[in-house]
Amino acid sequence: EDQVTQSPEALRLQEGESSSLNCSYTVSGLRGLFWYRQDPGKGPEFLFTLYSAGEEKEKERLKATLTKKESFLHITAPKPEDSATYLCAVQGPGAQKLVFGQGTRLTINP
Amino acid sequence: NAGVTQTPKFQVLKTGQSMTLQCAQDMNHEYMSWYRQDPGMGLRLIHYSVGAGITDQGEVPNGYNVSRSTTEDFPLRLLSAAPSQTSVYFCASGLIADTGELFFGEGSRLTVL
Repeated sequence: EDQVTQSPEALRLQEGESSSLNCSYTVSGLRGLFWYRQDPGKGPEFLFTLYSAGEEKEKERLKATLTKKESFLHITAPKPEDSATYLCAVQGPGAQKLVFGQGTRLTINP
Repeated sequence: NAGVTQTPKFQVLKTGQSMTLQCAQDMNHEYMSWYRQDPGMGLRLIHYSVGAGITDQGEVPNGYNVSRSTTEDFPLRLLSAAPSQTSVYFCASGLIADTGELFFGEGSRLTVL
């Protein structure tokens, strides 16, 4: 059974204080790993897709990386508008389903 | 540019009542799905569809029904509501070739008393 575990559950940072969020996964043949952002009261919004170990993707202050067992979402010099819940999901081979982790709630204080 | 539209946004039901959550998308996506989101549980897949006339079960399908008569619409029916179905429901759509990149609606918050 595919599983995704995200840590920490919640993270509070000061503006400009860089950090990383972790997503550990077990899947029998990874088809893709996905990061989403979710603002309070809204639906998730797609950020990145990673397909193979060693791959990296960047968008503004966010960089996602992938190994064979986990993915990291690095946040460099965050701003208050980066505050959100970040969700990680995996997709196995031949599957048209995503398995999501519980998310990390990130708060950036000005 | 509507994207994925869900109605209603809020609903309160009594145990045993039935209702339908509506979902429509205007992006001509073949793939559509329903998730529920509960505190500490993450998003869990209820049902999904890869095209008109084709549906399949996800992780937590019991108590829910779906149909897909058109590409645009994918309604979720609660047959006999139970308090355990109190949750926030999200509809999502995407291309068949890229079903990891989903476009989500804004959610429907359902309370069953």
